[in-house]
Amino acid sequence: GAGVSQSPRYKVAKRGQDVALRCDPISGHVSLFWYQQALGQGPEFLTYFQNEAQLDKSGLPSDRFFAERPEGSVSTLKIQRTQQEDSAVYLCASSLSKAGLAGDRSYNEQFFGPGTRLTVL
Amino acid sequence: KQEVTQIPAALSVPEGENLVLNCSFTDSAIYNLQWFRQDPGKGLTSLLLIQSSQREQTSGRLNASLDKSSGRSTLYIAASQPGDSATYLCAVAFSSGSARQLTFGSGTQLTVLP
Repeated sequence: GAGVSQSPRYKVAKRGQDVALRCDPISGHVSLFWYQQALGQGPEFLTYFQNEAQLDKSGLPSDRFFAERPEGSVSTLKIQRTQQEDSAVYLCASSLSKAGLAGDRSYNEQFFGPGTRLTVL
Repeated sequence: KQEVTQIPAALSVPEGENLVLNCSFTDSAIYNLQWFRQDPGKGLTSLLLIQSSQREQTSGRLNASLDKSSGRSTLYIAASQPGDSATYLCAVAFSSGSARQLTFGSGTQLTVLP
C-alpha cells in the first residue's frame, strides 16, 4: 500500500521567505509527527498531531514554525521568514495508534516519509 | 535531558561478517525502541520495534535486543552484505514523552565491503 509521502522533495528558499512543506500520512493513521534532521545528525522531534489536534509542539524551535492538520489527514509545516539555520531535512511520520494507548507493534510503529530537504540561502 | 547515544559512529566490515551496533539511552522508562535504516538522501525505513515488555525482536538476518535496566540495545546483523551499507539509527520513545515522540541517536554509518 501507499506509504507516507512528502512534497516538495527539495526546496530552496532565500533568507526571509516563507515556505510550506506538505505531508500525506498513511490513510487511517491517527498520529502524525514532524521531525527535523540536520546534516550528520539523527532527527529531532518538532510537533505531534492526534487527528486534527496538535497535542505537543514542544520541539518547534521558534514562533516562526507553525504546523496544522485541519482535517486530520494531510499536514502542513510552515516556516516564516526562513533563516539559514532552518536548512535541514524535514521528516514526517505517522502511526496507527493514539499516543498514550498501549498496543502491539502494529499500532505504535512510526512510518516515515522521504523528507523535504530545505536549503535557505 | 533524555539522550540516545550510538557507538561507533562509523563501521566498515568485509562482506559476510557478523556485526553488532550499539545503542544506549539515559532513562529506563520507555514505551518502545525502534531501529531504522537510512540510505543517503532517503527517508527512514523501520527495521525492528521492541516494546518495553520485550527483550528482543528478529527479522531475517537482523536481531535487536533490549535491556532496559542497563539502558542498552544492540542490533545484530548476520552475514553482512554490501546492500546492508547504510546509516542505522536507534530511536527511543521515552515514557515522559506524552506524544510518544522518538528521541534518536546520531546513527552508525555502516559500510560492507565486497
